Amino acid sequence: DTAVSQTPKYLVTQMGNDKSIKCEQNLGHDTMYWYKQDSKKFLKIMFSYNNKELIINETVPNRFSPKSPDKAHLNLHINSLELGDSAVYFCASSLAGGNYEQYFGPGTRLTVT
Amino acid sequence: DAKTTQPPSMDCAEGRAANLPCNHSTISGNEYVYWYRQIHSQGPQYIIHGLKNNETNEMASLIITEDRKSSTLILPHATLRDTAVYYCIVSGYSGNTPLVFGKGTRLSVIA
Repeated sequence: DTAVSQTPKYLVTQMGNDKSIKCEQNLGHDTMYWYKQDSKKFLKIMFSYNNKELIINETVPNRFSPKSPDKAHLNLHINSLELGDSAVYFCASSLAGGNYEQYFGPGTRLTVT
Repeated sequence: DAKTTQPPSMDCAEGRAANLPCNHSTISGNEYVYWYRQIHSQGPQYIIHGLKNNETNEMASLIITEDRKSSTLILPHATLRDTAVYYCIVSGYSGNTPLVFGKGTRLSVIA
């Protein structure tokens, strides 16, 4: 069984479009994250949610809006896509309240043309 | 910014031990050392973590110096499938804390 899954795996779209990436974890974790890995391979945190509540927003443009309908899901909606949004987006999850490891999804490769 | 310094790349012969160093001279008393790896373009994979004692699991061993300013990840018998970028990360105690990734070490295991 896949622990952290993301859909779609690949997403190609044009500038100005709106798109969503979905993430689901079946580990029973309380905390979920979105990370972005750019073309230079730097991995950077975007958002962190704990029990459906936003706890970290790392100066991400407000075109990016995460939504957590329940503890097991954290979706990422992106409005008015720009060329610079092209990257691989990773979802992750962990237990909260201690030094627990994070489990990452397989990533979604977004290409904006 | 990442609080760790790692060599950009290393090679290791298949079957030999791979020793990956990491400097974290500004680590705080309540911060842990975590190691993750990323194989090709897959999602990062947790390997091991520790506070001040040496740790071992089925994947690797973690040796932390007594002053906690550096550590070494040891893969005892490297295989070709261990070729990956290895990230050493210093992180606080809270499970809510996001990981701050540096550039990591690209380990190439050679047959």
